[in-house]
Amino acid sequence: KAGVTQTPRYLIKTRGQQVTLSCSPISGHRSVSWYQQTPGQGLQFLFEYFSETQRNKGNFPGRFSGRQFSNSRSEMNVSTLELGDSALYLCASRQNLGAEAFFGQGTRLTVV
Amino acid sequence: KQEVTQIPAALSVPEGENLVLNCSFTDSAIYNLQWFRQDPGKGLTSLLLIQSSQREQTSGRLNASLDKSSGRSTLYIAASQPGDSATYLCAVRNNAGNMLTFGGGTRLMVKP
Repeated sequence: KAGVTQTPRYLIKTRGQQVTLSCSPISGHRSVSWYQQTPGQGLQFLFEYFSETQRNKGNFPGRFSGRQFSNSRSEMNVSTLELGDSALYLCASRQNLGAEAFFGQGTRLTVV
Repeated sequence: KQEVTQIPAALSVPEGENLVLNCSFTDSAIYNLQWFRQDPGKGLTSLLLIQSSQREQTSGRLNASLDKSSGRSTLYIAASQPGDSATYLCAVRNNAGNMLTFGGGTRLMVKP
């Protein structure tokens, strides 16, 4: 069974640009969550989607948005990139609410 | 607001030692607790999930315990090996639909 797949693995973007990250959950998993990991702040929750509906949202500005498709794949978009958005973005999937979370390998975003 | 703390932040031990990693949380009304391992630049690998009704979980050389009333969990690693070198993260979920709140991690180095 394939794990959580995140694409791309690495990205370099210029300040002011926008970026879209993709996450394919484990087959059969309906929940997808996104987290940002930085050396200074650690792992911080961005948002979670379940059956195409956003269930929870973390304390991030509106430049960060996401969506989930009918096949449970999810995308995260960051507009007007800032240097501080440089981070490892991790996606997690779980079969249903309350189940064990499984993470992908992450997308390393560098904003220059 | 749930806060999760992991002590120590870093640990270096010789191969073969048994060791204990600590995790504490401020709100004892948790749904479950999950331990992860993260290798440098990589995603998170789930090690153990403990539901709030459980006291401990075991997988191979790993044993995790949970004491909800005192807001503590420990991860016991038996007969440590150099391949165990990684950062270990503990994360708490307050209810089924909520996000994971992560500790800052313990960076473990096992020397041959």
